[in-house]
Amino acid sequence: GAGVSQSPSNKVTEKGKDVELRCDPISGHTALYWYRQSLGQGLEFLIYFQGNSAPDKSGLPSDRFSAERTGGSVSTLTIQRTQQEDSAVYLCASSLFGGGTDTQYFGPGTRLTVL
Amino acid sequence: GESVGLHLPTLSVQEGDNSIINCAYSNSASDYFIWYKQESGKGPQFIIDIRSNMDKRQGQRVTVLLNKTVKHLSLQIAATQPGDSAVYFCAEILMNRDDKIIFGKGTRLHILP
Repeated sequence: GAGVSQSPSNKVTEKGKDVELRCDPISGHTALYWYRQSLGQGLEFLIYFQGNSAPDKSGLPSDRFSAERTGGSVSTLTIQRTQQEDSAVYLCASSLFGGGTDTQYFGPGTRLTVL
Repeated sequence: GESVGLHLPTLSVQEGDNSIINCAYSNSASDYFIWYKQESGKGPQFIIDIRSNMDKRQGQRVTVLLNKTVKHLSLQIAATQPGDSAVYFCAEILMNRDDKIIFGKGTRLHILP
């Protein structure tokens, strides 16, 4: 596609429910990143994929968070037993090769609200 | 989206004037820096980058200045336009280590008509 897309754009859920967020990176980009952006905060790194493998999961805040990437393309971020503090905008980005100097292109984000 | 810009420092600038947005970075070993622009409801967008062996880099209407002595980065936008209204934040990277990007919290730029 023309850019990184994410779905849904908005998700409202009840505390304790599981949610799945989807990211479609730019075609051909090998690296994919998930970030979280909370109110008034900077971007918080969650996880990085190179192809289908995740060499860096260090940012996942708890074991309720998991992510996978299949076919070197689409990625899903799953949050189990959601808590109110999980409310944030979840951003996905992709880059052609990976590495800090490779330009990351961001999707529009998914706004998650946990009631 | 819009709500992530709440509670951020805000800079209001008259349309046509120049603006300067500042960022203090955290790690003196960081060797690559990026400025991002985030408009309401959109993801961050790359504006300009600079490596630590430079102290100034110019783009189209934007200039980034790097002062490694005081770990300070600034973004200058010339002749601001309504479309420049957004949240701007800097990012620092330690290359050839884990290449992890650390993002600053951002500044909201508001262009006054």
